[in-house]
Amino acid sequence: DADVTQTPRNRITKTGKRIMLECSQTKGHDRMYWYRQDPGLGLRLIYYSFDVKDINKGEISDGYSVSRQAQAKFSLSLESAIPNQTALYFCATSVNLAGENYNEQFFGPGTRLTVL
Amino acid sequence: AQSVTQLGSHVSVSEGALVLLRCNYSSSVPPYLFWYVQYPNQGLQLLLKYTTGATLVKGINGFEAEFKKSETSFHLTKPSAHMSDAAEYFCAVIRGSGNTPLVFGKGTRLSVIA
Repeated sequence: DADVTQTPRNRITKTGKRIMLECSQTKGHDRMYWYRQDPGLGLRLIYYSFDVKDINKGEISDGYSVSRQAQAKFSLSLESAIPNQTALYFCATSVNLAGENYNEQFFGPGTRLTVL
Repeated sequence: AQSVTQLGSHVSVSEGALVLLRCNYSSSVPPYLFWYVQYPNQGLQLLLKYTTGATLVKGINGFEAEFKKSETSFHLTKPSAHMSDAAEYFCAVIRGSGNTPLVFGKGTRLSVIA
């Protein structure tokens, strides 16, 4: 079974609808991230969370919100979807190890969202 | 602010030829640099990373990268391309000091021609 799972894998919705993308991990990591990928733009950070009580905005948080329900779950919501939020969304996790300045991020398989 | 620039959105090489994917960085602190690979319809996986120490870093699948501070570069190379190397490659740098999220480049799509 995959360590980082995302549901749904594909979603088509209409402008104005509320959408929730979910991410779950079994890696026991404390840090979780949401990115979106657009062709030619690479991955851009939407929100990140270093533990259950810590939520931080990334570079493109407008129009999005998140919820860290538990250490293993991090959800991304689009309160009122718009067409320019059509993208591939990735969840990632990492662990904070004492004395380490960086720990590898592990990515989920992605959710392809289309907003009509 | 830290950033990376990948030169060339698409690189095409023949099977068996040298692969060279270019990445230049901008960082106000000693950089931690990474290359990730994304195969079709998959998430990203780490190829290699530079944090401290040896400037020539070896990764998975025969890839390596060299950190050159004087050139602010971290180019990715592989001596001989294989068809299975066709993918999108992303260079990334840590956003700030310490254990912070990554800033990704825009990606380079590698095509391998038989």
